[in-house]
Amino acid sequence: GENVEQHPSTLSVQEGDSAVIKCTYSDSASNYFPWYKQELGKRPQLIIDIRSNVGEKKDQRIAVTLNKTAKHFSLHITETQPEDSAVYFCALAGGGGSNYKLTFGKGTLLTVNP
Amino acid sequence: DSGVTQTPKHLITATGQRVTLRCSPRSGDLSVYWYQQSLDQGLQFLIQYYNGEERAKGNILERFSAQQFPDLHSELNLSSLELGDSALYFCASSDIAGVRYFGPGTRLTVL
Repeated sequence: GENVEQHPSTLSVQEGDSAVIKCTYSDSASNYFPWYKQELGKRPQLIIDIRSNVGEKKDQRIAVTLNKTAKHFSLHITETQPEDSAVYFCALAGGGGSNYKLTFGKGTLLTVNP
Repeated sequence: DSGVTQTPKHLITATGQRVTLRCSPRSGDLSVYWYQQSLDQGLQFLIQYYNGEERAKGNILERFSAQQFPDLHSELNLSSLELGDSALYFCASSDIAGVRYFGPGTRLTVL
């Protein structure tokens, strides 16, 4: 079945620095890779996603890269701000298509220090 | 607001009891997913329904069951509750592209 490993589990950066979170997976049939941001007690919110036919996607300060050969994908946040502090989850949908169940990583607690 | 609604927001009950959590997907979305989030287990996929039919099953206990009704709302039934069932339960629906929209969650506390 689908399995996704997320690292690091915690990440502390200074405001203005970049943050990178990486996820690795095992199922080569995985084809949809979203990233979610979750603030304490709130719902997970989609911040960016990428599909298996694309290697990189960018949205302002956030970017995601996908390496299908190596089976890993990463979230890059540049010019971090205190409001970026939250738990970030990677996820993937397996061979059933992008509407198939999402499997989540364990999450990364990002702290941006002012 | 994602357009996905969940009720109730909070639920406090005792061990051995049974509760029902309700979810209404975004208008037009046919898929509903249920997730359990506890501190030590992260977001665990429980079950998916598509247009009334069960489509995928995850780590859902036998004490738990779900269904999706003709109007596409879904209910998650949790019975013989144990302390370890205390968690946030999220429902999500997805659009045609597979993008998931999560509801605000139901916080279940089992005493």
